[in-house]
Amino acid sequence: DQQVKQNSPSLSVQEGRISILNCDYTNSMFDYFLWYKKYPAEGPTFLISISSIKDKNEDGRFTVFLNKSAKHLSLHIVPSQPGDSAVYFCAAVHSGSARQLTFGSGTQLTVLP
Amino acid sequence: NAGVMQNPRHLVRRRGQEARLRCSPMKGHSHVYWYRQLPEEGLKFMVYLQKENIIDESGMPKERFSAEFPKEGPSILRIQQVVRGDSAAYFCASSRWGAANTEAFFGQGTRLTVV
Repeated sequence: DQQVKQNSPSLSVQEGRISILNCDYTNSMFDYFLWYKKYPAEGPTFLISISSIKDKNEDGRFTVFLNKSAKHLSLHIVPSQPGDSAVYFCAAVHSGSARQLTFGSGTQLTVLP
Repeated sequence: NAGVMQNPRHLVRRRGQEARLRCSPMKGHSHVYWYRQLPEEGLKFMVYLQKENIIDESGMPKERFSAEFPKEGPSILRIQQVVRGDSAAYFCASSRWGAANTEAFFGQGTRLTVV
């Protein structure tokens, strides 16, 4: 039972364009969402997060949007850079769950120069 | 300030042997989490520990797996009598507090291969 789903295993975009990575969840108890970036042979690195009381959070080139009614969130990267090429994981937390993160299966982003 | 340190980075074990994975959290962090990543999958939660206490082990297999975070020293994930299906990347994360919106920092992982 996948509670957090990333339906696109891969995404390719041209350098300078916008990258949009999507994530859907099924558990309505989730109240905090995070995006992690992962390079091969390294651990995930925290990128940006959003609380369920917000619908948007922005940090530089990265913006996360949350649509609670649709149980959907997305990460926008603009402009995309070749160094952004990595696997991006969406994760969700239910604050009553002792802080365990539930991860999606990841999307491999490739930014083409 | 060193990040989360995991060792070894790579571990090869024969079926039936024991695997011990170590995790030293970031300085000042007393909350440790272990995750497992199977090939082509996302990370799956295994266990959440504070110093000398297991807070949530709902993701741990019932047999052969155990974890500890002693008062002194690193957190240890121990897998007894390993089988091929245990081959995976095991990631440790730490955080300063246990609140849901506290950022958790991940180590580089230990890649376990069972032959």
